[in-house]
Amino acid sequence: SQQGEEDPQALSIQEGENATMNCSYKTSINNLQWYRQNSGRGLVHLILIRSNEREKHSGRLRVTLDTSKKSSSLLITASRAADTASYFCATVYTGGFKTIFGAGTRLFVKA
Amino acid sequence: DTEVTQTPKHLVMGMTNKKSLKCEQHMGHRAMYWYKQKAKKPPELMFVYSYEKLSINESVPSRFSPECPNSSLLNLHLHALQPEDSALYLCASSQVLGLADYGQYFGPGTRLTVT
Repeated sequence: SQQGEEDPQALSIQEGENATMNCSYKTSINNLQWYRQNSGRGLVHLILIRSNEREKHSGRLRVTLDTSKKSSSLLITASRAADTASYFCATVYTGGFKTIFGAGTRLFVKA
Repeated sequence: DTEVTQTPKHLVMGMTNKKSLKCEQHMGHRAMYWYKQKAKKPPELMFVYSYEKLSINESVPSRFSPECPNSSLLNLHLHALQPEDSALYLCASSQVLGLADYGQYFGPGTRLTVT
């Protein structure tokens, strides 16, 4: 079964609000990554969190990882219209090499 | 240079055509990937090359044939495709397979339409 199921599938917020997306996975992982994809274009790597880390920050992004619950969240603070995109979590499971992407959350930030 | 380039950006081909997609990176990465992405779906891994050798083939039909001529180039040769193969084809690279400290770098993709 697919790793990295995400919710919500779609999220619509006003500019300036915070956006939170969640990702769950099924087996133990080496690391979890978050990517952004603007419509029909390539993916951009946002942040990677290792299995022994609990929280990581990068600019307006905050990622948490709870390995006991096999879940991660991505928080985008003070969202901007330019944050409108699809966001994917991706996992590399323990002992493996493949990066498996979750279904993604489509974020729409209204100006 | 932290860019992965892909050509062409768009490709329309008939089911009897033979075409190739090209991908290039000059970051010294030794792992390169092909993904297929359908609309509103996540990328699906097709092939992985590590040090110019095919390491992972995700049971992709033989009408897709990958090639890695050198450490900077990755090709995907297409022959006798079906309309359901229409999708966005993404190329990516990373430092080495299994070491993902900085994630994968993706190209902008080739939008393929099979008629």
